[in-house]
Amino acid sequence: DVVMTQSPLSLPVTLGQPASISCRSSQSLVHSDGNIYLNWFQQRPGQSPRRLIYKVSNRDSGVPDRFSGSGSGTDFTLEISRVEAEDVGAYYCMQGTHWPNTFGQGTKLEIK
Amino acid sequence: EVELVESGGGLVQPGGSLRLSCAASGFSLIGYWMHWVRQVPGKGLVWVSYINGDGSSIIYAESVKGRFTISRDNAENTVYLQMNTLRAEDTAVYFCARDKFRGMDVWGRGTTVTVSS
Repeated sequence: DVVMTQSPLSLPVTLGQPASISCRSSQSLVHSDGNIYLNWFQQRPGQSPRRLIYKVSNRDSGVPDRFSGSGSGTDFTLEISRVEAEDVGAYYCMQGTHWPNTFGQGTKLEIK
Repeated sequence: EVELVESGGGLVQPGGSLRLSCAASGFSLIGYWMHWVRQVPGKGLVWVSYINGDGSSIIYAESVKGRFTISRDNAENTVYLQMNTLRAEDTAVYFCARDKFRGMDVWGRGTTVTVSS
């Protein structure tokens, strides 16, 4: 199985400051169709997950543009340009290239 | 409004069975891949199973293979997860989710399964 490793696991951030989460895969996420199926999800406390980013860098509908994704091959990053109070929660990367699909361990973002 | 609603969770003894349902509204399931994902409270997300649009392709996580069965009824706009021979480690909140671009773009609120004597 593809192992997804996130860092950091805990991320204290000051309001208005940027935040960055890294996700590394144990093997390339380039699919045979040429796409990279790397997703980012946000899970606020007590809520279901919500996808923010698909195929590395594409924002889902309604996702604020302060969220951005980047990366290639095996190294990926989720960046929040200016953290707001509503961004508190857990963030997960997930690869959909290989079966079984696998999630990272999660990164808990909190406000300092 | 596009929505997924899970049901069927509950308390069951080890070795028992449960059937989870995931009813879609606001869109037709036809053509969509669907997933089940579970989460132990306070822990991370774990992918469980997937089924393609017509049910011809199904994959399971190794931890549930041979015990869980995913299925779908497109006419009823519902996806199911039959869970047999349940173990304590199957205790979790189970989410169903719609696939778009090989990731989950719509999630339900989840249904809680507790396996305990």
